[in-house]
Amino acid sequence: DVVMTQSPLSLPVTLGQPASFSCRSSQSLVHSDGNTYLNWFHQRPGQSPRRLIYMVSNRDPGVPDRFSGSGSGTDFTLKISRVEAEDVGIYYCMQGTHWPLTFGGGTKVEIK
Amino acid sequence: HVQLQESGPGLVKPSGTLSLTCAVSGGSINSKKWWGWVRQPPGKGLEWIGEIHHSGSTNYNPSLKRRVTILVDKSKNQFSLNLRHVTAADTAVYYCSREYFFWGQGTLVTVSS
Repeated sequence: DVVMTQSPLSLPVTLGQPASFSCRSSQSLVHSDGNTYLNWFHQRPGQSPRRLIYMVSNRDPGVPDRFSGSGSGTDFTLKISRVEAEDVGIYYCMQGTHWPLTFGGGTKVEIK
Repeated sequence: HVQLQESGPGLVKPSGTLSLTCAVSGGSINSKKWWGWVRQPPGKGLEWIGEIHHSGSTNYNPSLKRRVTILVDKSKNQFSLNLRHVTAADTAVYYCSREYFFWGQGTLVTVSS
């Protein structure tokens, strides 16, 4: 199985400031079709996950443009340009290139 | 706008079978999409269980494969999850999803006698 490792585990952030999270995979996420199936999700307490980013850098409909994804191969990053109060929660990366699909352990974001 | 709703018993006895259904509204289960199940033990992260295509093709997590069956019921526009021989380690919130973009609200299933 592909192991997804996220860092940091916890990230205290200041409202209005940027934030950045890392996700690394144990093997390349480049699919044989040339695409890289790396997704980012946000989960608030008691809520279902919400996908923010698919295929590394594509924002899902309705996702604010302060969220951006980047990376390639085995190293990926999610950035928030200016953190807002609603951004608290846990962020998970998930790879969809290799079966079984696997999630990272998550990065918990809280306001300082 | 596609909506998903999980349903099923909230309590299952050890060694029994966990059976959940995901009702799909606002869209057809016959669309060329993958329909999946993900679970989350209390206070822990997300675990992919498996998925089914409208054609009937399935992919399962090898860690659960011997115990899991996912089926589509086109007549009821829903899909289901069966997990056999459950233990306390299967206690979790179970989510259904369409291609990990649309998600149900989740349902807590507790395995206990």
